[in-house]
Amino acid sequence: AQTVTQSQPEMSVQEAETVTLSCTYDTSESDYYLFWYKQPPSRQMILVIRQEAYKQQNATENRFSVNFQKAAKSFSLKISDSQLGDAAMYFCAYRRTDSKLTFGTGTRLQVTL
Amino acid sequence: DTGVSQDPRHKITKRGQNVTFRCDPISEHNRLYWYRQTLGQGPEFLTYFQNEAQLEKSRLLSDRFSAERPKGSFSTLEIQRTEQGDSAMYLCASSFQGGTGELFFGEGSRLTVL
Repeated sequence: AQTVTQSQPEMSVQEAETVTLSCTYDTSESDYYLFWYKQPPSRQMILVIRQEAYKQQNATENRFSVNFQKAAKSFSLKISDSQLGDAAMYFCAYRRTDSKLTFGTGTRLQVTL
Repeated sequence: DTGVSQDPRHKITKRGQNVTFRCDPISEHNRLYWYRQTLGQGPEFLTYFQNEAQLEKSRLLSDRFSAERPKGSFSTLEIQRTEQGDSAMYLCASSFQGGTGELFFGEGSRLTVL
């Protein structure tokens, strides 16, 4: 079974600084997708960024970028120029081709002034 | 807005009662997923549908839980004889089949069993 591990229950970053959230996963598949989802307090989960395993290039979306290390099964999220609105739970998720999403336990990100 | 909608948003019930949650997916999406999320944890997969067919059920889904998606549109999740351990947020999501399959989530239905 596929598993997703987020070893940082909480992280804190100062506004305008950079923070990296870690994620590792376990799979025997070669073709899959990885995601970072954001869940603000009492609000719905939204997609931050996704990575296709067959792509070597790391995905970027504005201030958000990933470091995808396929051999190491590592998928970290870097948030640059952190903003107060980035405060939320962040979930790493794995999806085998055409199957369900499997989530990690999440990292709570606090953004301080 | 034509996002995923869930109803009710919050349900308080007494142990032993039955509850039903409804999810209306994004209309073009043929896949619909149910997840359960307890405080401080990541969402746990319960079941998913492609059109009206239930393709997979988690072992977490005991026989007190049943989900349907008649006509491949909205879905209902029913919990019979609720227990305090059923207290959680029940999340619905929808997606297109195949591709990167980004899931679009609703705001969830929070169940409190007293």
